[in-house]
Amino acid sequence: QVQLVQSGAEVKKPGASVKVSCKASGYSITSNAIQWVRQAPGQRLEWMGWINAGNGNTKYSQKFQGRVTITRDTSASTVYMELSRLRSEDTAVYYCARGILYFDFWGQGTLVTVYS
Amino acid sequence: ETVLTQSPGTLSLSPGERATLSCRASQSFTSSYLAWYQQKPGQAPRLLMYGTSIRATGIPDRFSGSGSGTDFTLTISRLEPEDFAVYYCHQYGSSLPVTFGQGTKVEIK
Repeated sequence: QVQLVQSGAEVKKPGASVKVSCKASGYSITSNAIQWVRQAPGQRLEWMGWINAGNGNTKYSQKFQGRVTITRDTSASTVYMELSRLRSEDTAVYYCARGILYFDFWGQGTLVTVYS
Repeated sequence: ETVLTQSPGTLSLSPGERATLSCRASQSFTSSYLAWYQQKPGQAPRLLMYGTSIRATGIPDRFSGSGSGTDFTLTISRLEPEDFAVYYCHQYGSSLPVTFGQGTKVEIK
């Protein structure tokens, strides 16, 4: 069965970077896209960007352009999302999800807490 | 950016009742590009519907979706205990960024 398993919770200081991983199983990662969506406490879901895991092409939300980088390691069936220059407002649960249009499978989420 | 506004914010209903959730977009887009998700506390969202009215794999037929243009609806015909959760609409593909509604919480009355 399709599964996306994310790395564990992170605590970071303002200005630092965080890199969250998303390991896929149950399907060929190169056959689909992986999206990244975050959810701050009490807020709606917010799309950050996506990667075509087949050819490595990426697209980012303008809001995060310049701060977010999504990469993949096909040999490890893993996609990574790195967010730099963290600030307190980046405290959120970060999700990876499979899909080019709608998102049919989701990771369990990774809590990233930013505080000094 | 297409802003999605869901209403009501909270729906208080009893098991067996019908739930009607609304999602209104700030601009019209192709109905093929509207999805709904269910989220329970501490869990990731789960895909319910895509293409406005197509149920995802394993979703029971008490869930149905409809709408076009700027107005979309998710209906749960008879609420089961496991249906009490937060529901989000999601537009994708018409233009970036993809966006989500703010959610409707369906709670037990």
